[in-house]
Amino acid sequence: GAGVSQSPSNKVTEKGKDVELRCDPISGHTALYWYRQSLGQGLEFLIYFQGNSAPDKSGLPSDRFSAERTGGSVSTLTIQRTQQEDSAVYLCASSFTADSSYNEQFFGPGTRLTVL
Amino acid sequence: RKEVEQDPGPFNVPEGATVAFNCTYSNSASQSFFWYRQDCRKEPKLLMSVYSSGNEDGRFTAQLNRASQYISLLIRDSKLSDSATYLCVVNPRGSGGYNKLIFGAGTRLAVHP
Repeated sequence: GAGVSQSPSNKVTEKGKDVELRCDPISGHTALYWYRQSLGQGLEFLIYFQGNSAPDKSGLPSDRFSAERTGGSVSTLTIQRTQQEDSAVYLCASSFTADSSYNEQFFGPGTRLTVL
Repeated sequence: RKEVEQDPGPFNVPEGATVAFNCTYSNSASQSFFWYRQDCRKEPKLLMSVYSSGNEDGRFTAQLNRASQYISLLIRDSKLSDSATYLCVVNPRGSGGYNKLIFGAGTRLAVHP
């Protein structure tokens, strides 16, 4: 079956512009996660959704970052007034549910964001 | 102190070698543990979960020491295709929590002919 898909695969933007990143989870997965990976760094948790609600937004780096999920499926991560330090690969993952410790998270290919 | 710490490597080993990676985590209440593999410019993929009793999957053996808050991954008979970055991953989920993953920065393995 289809895996997690993300779009765009690459995004180059100018400092100060807003960007929107999209994630399509695996069909039937109720949990969705956003991470980012800066060059040479580990993955940093940003936010997760169980259904349409986001119980934990603690990883969002600033109020310029927001995310939403509608219909329990597609999610968008929006970064307003982008800064150069926002440059990273933004990875989305989904799992069957968020309630079990050993539910595998499946990752999408990521969106590589470059802020000039 | 980082929540999950790994030696970044790189580990350069010949084919057929045995190599071991270690990882420590800071949250003693952590509930579940994993090794993920990430190829260059690709997304991470689950390699194996790590259970308290230790577990083996073919050439790969994972061990957990809760007392020392230490996780290991052993790869026997290394193949060229094992070259990748290995991410130590911890789920600090406690009662009523959820499936949040904390990633180490990864250990790079390069297997050469």
